[in-house]
Amino acid sequence: AQKITQTQPGMFVQEKEAVTLDCTYDTSDPSYGLFWYKQPSSGEMIFLIYQGSYDQQNATEGRYSLNFQKARKSANLVISASQLGDSAMYFCAMRAGRLAFGKGNQVVVIP
Amino acid sequence: DSGVTQTPKHLITATGQRVTLRCSPRSGDLSVYWYQQSLDQGLQFLIQYYNGEERAKGNILERFSAQQFPDLHSELNLSSLELGDSALYFCASSEDLGETQYFGPGTRLLVL
Repeated sequence: AQKITQTQPGMFVQEKEAVTLDCTYDTSDPSYGLFWYKQPSSGEMIFLIYQGSYDQQNATEGRYSLNFQKARKSANLVISASQLGDSAMYFCAMRAGRLAFGKGNQVVVIP
Repeated sequence: DSGVTQTPKHLITATGQRVTLRCSPRSGDLSVYWYQQSLDQGLQFLIQYYNGEERAKGNILERFSAQQFPDLHSELNLSSLELGDSALYFCASSEDLGETQYFGPGTRLLVL
């Protein structure tokens, strides 16, 4: 069975600072994908970044990067130069067959 | 804008009623997924269709059913509604099996 763990409490982040959101996962499947989604207060789920289990390099997409440590089964999201619009819930998800989501991390960016 | 559309945006109904949620996937996407998001259960996978056929089932109640039509749009039918069915229902689509899923804006269902 797949398990995604996001245990950080809600975070306040200063604008322009970087923030790291933790995600650990558990699966026995050697082939899997890791995703991060953003859910602002308006409710939509926005795809941010993807990392495949066989990818050698960490994924990056603009200000988002995924710190993938396979041996530790962690896939942390790093948001650089935080902006007010980054305030949202962030969900880590893993696909090994079906897509399973963690409980989310709340981020509030303050000016 | 992900390109996935869902209607209606909001739905308020009474217990015991039946509702239909509609989803149009991104152009070219063959796979459609339905999810339920509630405060206590988080984001739960309900069901997946690929090119008109059911591919995977998650935590979908027997009172719920779905289908994907030849034009690839999908509908989620919720019947005998209970208070606990109040949630945000998402549709997502992907180009193929195992590809990145793009979510629609969701339908907020409130059962009174």
